[in-house]
Amino acid sequence: DAKTTQPPSMDCAEGRAANLPCNHSTISGNEYVYWYRQIHSQGPQYIIHGLKNNETNEMASLIITEDRKSSTLILPHATLRDTAVYYCIVNSGGSNYKLTFGKGTLLTVNP
Amino acid sequence: GAGVSQSPRYKVAKRGQDVALRCDPISGHVSLFWYQQALGQGPEFLTYFQNEAQLDKSGLPSDRFFAERPEGSVSTLKIQRTQQEDSAVYLCASSLERGQGAETQYFGPGTRLLVL
Repeated sequence: DAKTTQPPSMDCAEGRAANLPCNHSTISGNEYVYWYRQIHSQGPQYIIHGLKNNETNEMASLIITEDRKSSTLILPHATLRDTAVYYCIVNSGGSNYKLTFGKGTLLTVNP
Repeated sequence: GAGVSQSPRYKVAKRGQDVALRCDPISGHVSLFWYQQALGQGPEFLTYFQNEAQLDKSGLPSDRFFAERPEGSVSTLKIQRTQQEDSAVYLCASSLERGQGAETQYFGPGTRLLVL
């Protein structure tokens, strides 16, 4: 798997957008960008994934640069419950089924 | 619908005891994974099942760790003669099938194991 680089921590004010960056400069053409988050004492929760195009679901938006070397996860209106560690993972599936988690970004949403 | 469930949620064991951790995947999910998460670290892969077949156990840290999924649904991770370094959160994940492209893995809440 290609490695990812994320800032260790970020802060965001409640109600504002949280923009979490991820660098994956060695990503291969068939590798997806996945985002998971882990709230304290819970298992990782799937958020969103994408290959080339930007994606949006009820939880978040994923913006992938045209060269696919970086991406940004956007939580449009952060709440206190969004405080968690956010993991950016690249994975192609198929025979490459292992998810390789780094240390992620601890997002703290402040009131 | 029901997600991945794990039991027990917490387990305290004395060093040398055997433990068994259970995972109930999402119904119909073909693939099942076990991960280990040490304090302050991201989860690390242990083993992978496709139905009842254990296709990859490369992440199991020692031969004291054993996993099974005899009927292709529920899985058990067994740790024999537990050591203090086995203390961690053990996470189970399942995905619908292993085919072309990436498959989203859905995680359970984990079992927190503390070996004294």
